[in-house]
Amino acid sequence: DVKVTQSSRYLVKRTGEKVFLECVQDMDHENMFWYRQDPGLGLRLIYFSYDVKMKEKGDIPEGYSVSREKKERFSLILESASTNQTSMYLCASSSRTYGYTFGSGTRLTVV
Amino acid sequence: DQQVKQNSPSLSVQEGRISILNCDYTNSMFDYFLWYKKYPAEGPTFLISISSIKDKNEDGRFTVFLNKSAKHLSLHIVPSQPGDSAVYFCAASANTGNQFYFGTGTSLTVIP
Repeated sequence: DVKVTQSSRYLVKRTGEKVFLECVQDMDHENMFWYRQDPGLGLRLIYFSYDVKMKEKGDIPEGYSVSREKKERFSLILESASTNQTSMYLCASSSRTYGYTFGSGTRLTVV
Repeated sequence: DQQVKQNSPSLSVQEGRISILNCDYTNSMFDYFLWYKKYPAEGPTFLISISSIKDKNEDGRFTVFLNKSAKHLSLHIVPSQPGDSAVYFCAASANTGNQFYFGTGTSLTVIP
């Protein structure tokens, strides 16, 4: 079974803090993704990566950056957290056959 | 621009009846479609898929139908059970890429 592990289930951060969300997958997938899920808006793609050191902007990259130094790890960085970044963050890795395997999600609250 | 659309944000069904969740897409290059199920505070999990070479795929109580001419797919759950209550996302990809595009989700409630 592919496993995608997100380091935290729940996080509470203050406005202006730099926030790191970590994601690790164990199936040697090349593709990894960060989404956020908000009510009524579905899953919105923030950033994705097709290989180590490669990254591409998704639909809503503003206020975020990413890092992919190793194939199994894809980190999402909130440079200066704001209250409108309160959300559920989902990491995924993918294969063509089964689509995405998601992590359990990180519920981030920015106060 | 939303390439995959789920126009019903919510659906309520009696236990034992059929649940039908709908999904429309606009990109004619999409050739692979999946449904995901998501419980609160968990990541989405893969439910069922269908390739564009087929018009139906069945897995137990779950059947996905694809109408390519209408650019429409639907997920049927028969019989519906209370444990099916969750948010369902459809997703689509084109054979040239690895990215899947998601709909906004439909929240299904199965009433005991």
